[in-house]
Amino acid sequence: AQKVTQAQTEISVVEKEDVTLDCVYETRDTTYYLFWYKQPPSGELVFLIRRNSFDEQNEISGRYSWNFQKSTSSFNFTITASQVVDSAVYFCALSEAQSNTGKLIFGQGTTLQVKP
Amino acid sequence: DSGVTQTPKHLITATGQRVTLRCSPRSGDLSVYWYQQSLDQGLQFLIQYYNGEERAKGNILERFSAQQFPDLHSELNLSSLELGDSALYFCASSELAGGETQYFGPGTRLLVL
Repeated sequence: AQKVTQAQTEISVVEKEDVTLDCVYETRDTTYYLFWYKQPPSGELVFLIRRNSFDEQNEISGRYSWNFQKSTSSFNFTITASQVVDSAVYFCALSEAQSNTGKLIFGQGTTLQVKP
Repeated sequence: DSGVTQTPKHLITATGQRVTLRCSPRSGDLSVYWYQQSLDQGLQFLIQYYNGEERAKGNILERFSAQQFPDLHSELNLSSLELGDSALYFCASSELAGGETQYFGPGTRLLVL
C-alpha cells in the first residue's frame, strides 16, 4: 500500500539555523514521483520540487536542498540558514506511475516555525 | 500565482444544503484534481478528470460529485452537507494525466453550520 510518513509534526528553530524535514514513503511501484509542497499561513499550496524514482541525484535550489535515498525510502528536505518567511506547513507527497493517474498521496505535514 | 483559479474563496452554508465549487485550470492543462483538507483527515485526494473524462476516484463521498466541461473548467458539487464537510477544498491541474507536477489553486474554504 502507498503511504507517506512525516514523523515530525512540529519543528521550531531560531532564524539562521539549518533544519531538516523528514519524509519516508512506502510503495510497491518501481516508477513513482515524489513532491514537496509548502503551505504558508495564507493557505495556498506552493510547489517546491518533483523527483522521479530513477533520479537519485540530490538537488539544491538556493537555501533549499533535497536528499533522495531509495535504499531507505526517504526524501528529506533541508532548509539552510532558515528565515522567518520559511514558517509554514510542509507536505511531502507521492504519486505512483502504475496507477496511470496523478493522484497525490500526502503525508500529514510538518509545521515549521522559525523564530526571529 | 499558480494560474489555477477557484471560486468562491469562502462559503458558509447550513447543513442539508448543496453547494458548487468552481475551478479553472492553468492554460493548456488537461487534468483537474480535487482534494479536501481537514484537520482530522489531512489532505485527501477526491477525484481526477482528464480532458473531460473521469480518470481516478479517491475517498469521495456519494453525496459529492464532479465534472469537467469542454472548456476544461471543473465543478465539484457537494450535497446534503454535514458539519463534517467543513474543510478547505483545493483544485489542482497538470498538463497530462499522471506523474506531472500539480499546481494548486488558492482553495475554497467551506464552513457548514
